[in-house]
Amino acid sequence: GENVEQHPSTLSVQEGDSAVIKCTYSDSASNYFPWYKQELGKRPQLIIDIRSNVGEKKDQRIAVTLNKTAKHFSLHITETQPEDSAVYFCAASAPGTYKYIFGTGTRLKVLA
Amino acid sequence: NAGVTQTPKFQVLKTGQSMTLQCAQDMNHNSMYWYRQDPGMGLRLIYYSASEGTTDKGEVPNGYNVSRLNKREFSLRLESAAPSQTSVYFCASSDRETDYEQYFGPGTRLTVT
Repeated sequence: GENVEQHPSTLSVQEGDSAVIKCTYSDSASNYFPWYKQELGKRPQLIIDIRSNVGEKKDQRIAVTLNKTAKHFSLHITETQPEDSAVYFCAASAPGTYKYIFGTGTRLKVLA
Repeated sequence: NAGVTQTPKFQVLKTGQSMTLQCAQDMNHNSMYWYRQDPGMGLRLIYYSASEGTTDKGEVPNGYNVSRLNKREFSLRLESAAPSQTSVYFCASSDRETDYEQYFGPGTRLTVT
């Protein structure tokens, strides 16, 4: 079945620097790759997603890139702010399965 | 719209007790999901229901049962709780026909002593 690996497990950056989180997936049929942000004690919330027919997607300070050949995708956060501190999860989903397989999460700390 | 709602928010059980976690969504979504979240383990799929009338096992189904009561409601039952089931449980829903986005409920924090 699908397996999603996520790195790093923790990441500390200075405010204003960029942060990059990487995920690899195993099922080449996967075509949907969301990223979720989870603040302490809260539910995961979608921050950006990408489909397999697109190589890159941006939303203000957040971007996601997808390399289908290598089966990996990355989250890029620029000009980080303290409120970006949270746990970030990647996931992958293949058509026809209805399942979403999640990575183990990255705890991002933005140091003021 | 309330989105995805879950009850209860918190629960403490003794080993061997049973309980049902309730989930409802008002977005007319076809698919519903139950996940558990343990520290450092991410979100692991327990059971899912692709559409009303169907349920399937996820990665960690042992010790759980589910019921898709109707299109809105999807419940998770622990028949005989064990300390290993101490976790935060999230329900989610999506409409795979139109949009792959999953929407999560606020979670239930369950402790089994």
